[in-house]
Amino acid sequence: AQKVTQAQTEISVVEKEDVTLDCVYETRDTTYYLFWYKQPPSGELVFLIRRNSFDEQNEISGRYSWNFQKSTSSFNFTITASQVVDSAVYFCALGASGAQKLVFGQGTRLTINP
Amino acid sequence: NAGVTQTPKFQVLKTGQSMTLQCAQDMNHEYMSWYRQDPGMGLRLIHYSVGAGITDQGEVPNGYNVSRSTTEDFPLRLLSAAPSQTSVYFCASSTPTGGPYEQYFGPGTRLTVT
Repeated sequence: AQKVTQAQTEISVVEKEDVTLDCVYETRDTTYYLFWYKQPPSGELVFLIRRNSFDEQNEISGRYSWNFQKSTSSFNFTITASQVVDSAVYFCALGASGAQKLVFGQGTRLTINP
Repeated sequence: NAGVTQTPKFQVLKTGQSMTLQCAQDMNHEYMSWYRQDPGMGLRLIHYSVGAGITDQGEVPNGYNVSRSTTEDFPLRLLSAAPSQTSVYFCASSTPTGGPYEQYFGPGTRLTVT
């Protein structure tokens, strides 16, 4: 069975601090995909990134970066120089190759204080 | 191009009432899914469809019915609403090209069952 664990329920930091959101996954598939979604206070789900299991290169997009480590089954998300607009609930999700079903973690509520 | 649309945005039902949550997409995506979001539990898959006429159960299907008569529409029916079905419901669509697969989410329907 597939499982995603986001152990940090809530994180609160002061603006401009760096913050890392943890994501640990379990799967027996050799080919799979990992996702991060952002859910701002308005409620919609915003796609951030998709990474397949064969690509362990870290990815950076502006202030966002992702660290994928198969050895520890982790796909962590770091926001550098956080801003108030980063306040949201962030979800990590796992999908098997060829399947359309995603398994989501419980989500981490991130609050950036001015 | 409206993407994924859901109606209604909000709904209050009494226990035992029935209703249909509507979902439509205009991206010609083969795959469509319904998720529910509950506090502390992330999103959980209710039902999904890989094409018109084909549906299957997800993680939490009890109490819900679906059908897929067209590529565009994927309604979710609650036959006899229960307070345990109070949740936020998200519809999503995706395409198998290059995936899995970024799922495009609708804005959500907030349902309260009293």
